[in-house]
Order: sequence, then structure tokens, then C-alpha cells
Amino acid sequence: AQKITQTQPGMFVQEKEAVTLDCTYDTSDPSYGLFWYKQPSSGEMIFLIYQGSYDQQNATEGRYSLNFQKARKSANLVISASQLGDSAMYFCAMGAGGFKTIFGAGTRLFVKA
Amino acid sequence: GAVVSQHPSWVICKSGTSVKIECRSLDFQATTMFWYRQFPKQSLMLMATSNEGSKATYEQGVEKDKFLINHASLTLSTLTVTSAHPEDSSFYICSVVEPNSYSNQPQHFGDGTRLSIL
Repeated sequence: AQKITQTQPGMFVQEKEAVTLDCTYDTSDPSYGLFWYKQPSSGEMIFLIYQGSYDQQNATEGRYSLNFQKARKSANLVISASQLGDSAMYFCAMGAGGFKTIFGAGTRLFVKA
Repeated sequence: GAVVSQHPSWVICKSGTSVKIECRSLDFQATTMFWYRQFPKQSLMLMATSNEGSKATYEQGVEKDKFLINHASLTLSTLTVTSAHPEDSSFYICSVVEPNSYSNQPQHFGDGTRLSIL
């Protein structure tokens, strides 16, 4: 069975510092995709970054990078130079076949001024 | 601009009322849409897969007679919560898959509907 695990219910980071949000996954499929989404208090889901299981390099999108360690089945999100607007819920997710997506429990990030 | 439009964004109604939520794909025709439910401080849980022109596929534990899904056109899926009760109060969010996309590509989400049953 496929599973996404986020073990950090909440994280604090000082403005302008970097923060790592942890995500581990479990799947027996050789081909899969890993995503990170941001959900502000308003509720919309904002796609941040994607990593394919066969991608050789770690994905990067602006201040977001994904630390993909396939052997350890981890896909941690790194946010550099945190901003106050980064305060939100962050969900790690995995494509589960047939276009389905399963989500982790989420991590609430608080950015301190 | 928005790829998916979800309406209404907020609903408050009495117990026993049926509530319809619409999810529209604005940029492309979508044969597949997904409906999720999210309780406060919890993750998104997939309720069902909406398939254009055929019956929806419900996840285990989701009552199909309670949550009616209609995907009558390639741009519109509706979720009707029938005879809603307070325990149905939740955040409902839909997502759309681009045609010809691979299964490991991100979905486009609507802005969600907050449903409060009094």
C-alpha cells in the first residue's frame, strides 16, 4: 500500500532563514511522482514542486527545493530565505496511480518576524 | 489565472438540507475530476473520482447515496451532499486532471467549499 508520512505537525522558522519539512513515502511502484503543496488559511491548494522517481537531479523552483533521497524514500522540502507569507500548511503528496493523489498529514509552518 | 472554479466558496444551511457544489474546469476539457474532503487541521481525503459520462468511483467508506456526484459534461462536475447533517460539515475541494497528462503530474485544485451544517 502507498503511504505518505509527515512527522512534523508544526515547525517554526525565523524570517530569512531556511527550513526543511520532512516527508517519507512508501510504495512498491517503480514509477511515481512526489509533490509538495502549500495551503494557506484561505484553503486553496497551491502546487509548489514536483519530483519524478526517475529524475536524476533534485527539483528546484525558486526558493523551493526538494531533497530527494530515493534509497531512504524521503522527499524533504527545503524553503530558503523564509518569508512571513510562507506561513501555511504544507502537504507532501504522491501520485498513486490512475491520477489519484494521496496526501500526508501536513506540517504547519510558522514564520517568525 | 484560475484553471478550476469551485462554487460556492462558503455554505451555511440547516440540517436536512441538500447542498450542491460545482467544480468547473476553465482551461480544458476534463474527463476526470476528484473530490476531496478535509476536516479541520487534517489532511485531504479522497472521496471519489468523477468520470465524465459514467458513474463516479467512490473510495472505501464514502456513502455514494449520501454524496452524489454528477459529471455530465467535460467541464463540470457536481457534488451534492444529500440531507446534510452537522457531521458533514467540512471543507470540500475538487481537482482536475489535464487531458493527456501522466499519472504522476500535479492536479489543479479548486479553491474549496466550506460547508457548515447547523
